[in-house]
Amino acid sequence: GAGVSQSPSNKVTEKGKDVELRCDPISGHTALYWYRQRLGQGLEFLIYFQGNSAPDKSGLPSDRFSAERTGESVSTLTIQRTQQEDSAVYLCASSPSQFSGNTIYFGEGSWLTVV
Amino acid sequence: AQSVTQPDIHITVSEGASLELRCNYSYGATPYLFWYVQSPGQGLQLLLKYFSGDTLVQGIKGFEAEFKRSQSSFNLRKPSVHWSDAAEYFCAVGAKTPLVFGKGTRLSVIA
Repeated sequence: GAGVSQSPSNKVTEKGKDVELRCDPISGHTALYWYRQRLGQGLEFLIYFQGNSAPDKSGLPSDRFSAERTGESVSTLTIQRTQQEDSAVYLCASSPSQFSGNTIYFGEGSWLTVV
Repeated sequence: AQSVTQPDIHITVSEGASLELRCNYSYGATPYLFWYVQSPGQGLQLLLKYFSGDTLVQGIKGFEAEFKRSQSSFNLRKPSVHWSDAAEYFCAVGAKTPLVFGKGTRLSVIA
């Protein structure tokens, strides 16, 4: 596709349930990022993937959060046993490489509400 | 550790007035600096970026930003604001690491 695609765009889930968020990056982009944006807050880095290298998981807030990426394509962010504080917009982004000088292109986000 | 501070949480300007959004950063080396805009219900869009060279950077939609190393600042400016500029603006810093973002400045535009 032309841009970064995320699904679902909106998700309401009950506390304690698991959720999966999907990101389809721009074709050919080797770097993929997940950020979290809580209401009224800035973007919080979660994890990034660069090609076949081990992902940088330093931003994941707890072991309930995990992410996978298949090669240089689709990524899935999984949140287990969701809590109300997980309610946020989860933004995925991709760029041509790890070098931050490259423009990072963001998707429109997945709005997660935990009730 | 790298960090970004956007001191103004919310700014209101009149349409046609000039605008300056402040951004201060902390970074161990020469930073790469970015400004992104997030319109309601939309993803982030890059306005402009600075890597090196001319410290005054031109971006899209009539925006510009000036890198001032002595002040560790990268303020965003626009000479005449349009109602469509109402949005959230994020400053970010990074190099060979994922970008670090400020908490954003919400811009409201009044008639």
